[in-house]
Amino acid sequence: DQQVKQNSPSLSVQEGRISILNCDYTNSMFDYFLWYKKYPAEGPTFLISISSIKDKNEDGRFTVFLNKSAKHLSLHIVPSQPGDSAVYFCAANNDMRFGAGTRLTVKP
Amino acid sequence: DTGVSQDPRHKITKRGQNVTFRCDPISEHNRLYWYRQTLGQGPEFLTYFQNEAQLEKSRLLSDRFSAERPKGSFSTLEIQRTEQGDSAMYLCASSLEGVGAFFGQGTRLTVV
Repeated sequence: DQQVKQNSPSLSVQEGRISILNCDYTNSMFDYFLWYKKYPAEGPTFLISISSIKDKNEDGRFTVFLNKSAKHLSLHIVPSQPGDSAVYFCAANNDMRFGAGTRLTVKP
Repeated sequence: DTGVSQDPRHKITKRGQNVTFRCDPISEHNRLYWYRQTLGQGPEFLTYFQNEAQLEKSRLLSDRFSAERPKGSFSTLEIQRTEQGDSAMYLCASSLEGVGAFFGQGTRLTVV
């Protein structure tokens, strides 16, 4: 009963281009969403969040968009940098269950 | 250091032995979560506490797993009669209710 899903296991982009990571959820009662970034052998680190009362939250190169009607959120990274290469997870705070993650590779 | 601390960082144990992991959350955080992560997967939710109360426990958790948070501060996760399938990274996270959680570095368990 996975309530948060990331359907793309991997994404590869060129340095300087936009990275778009997607996440879908099933529970319309979720009211707070988070993105985490994880490097190998480290715990996930909090990246950015969005409340369901908003449809966009921006922090530097990172922007999260929320489409409540589609139960979909996305993380945009622009411009992408090689140091952004990591696994990205989305989660819903009510539940704190994670998607399977998307491995982003940014090529120089 | 005011982050989430987990101990030990690595544990190798023989099948059938019991192991216990400790998590020290960020001091003012009232929620504490335990997750298990295997290669190529996202963190799998195991259980969470609000203060000292264990509010939810995943169906993934067999009877061999138990977690406690006796004083609402640090927490322990015990695995009894370990099996090779228990080999994973065990992650702890803490949060204030309604705010994003912060993770520790994890404890990597290898059952041989």
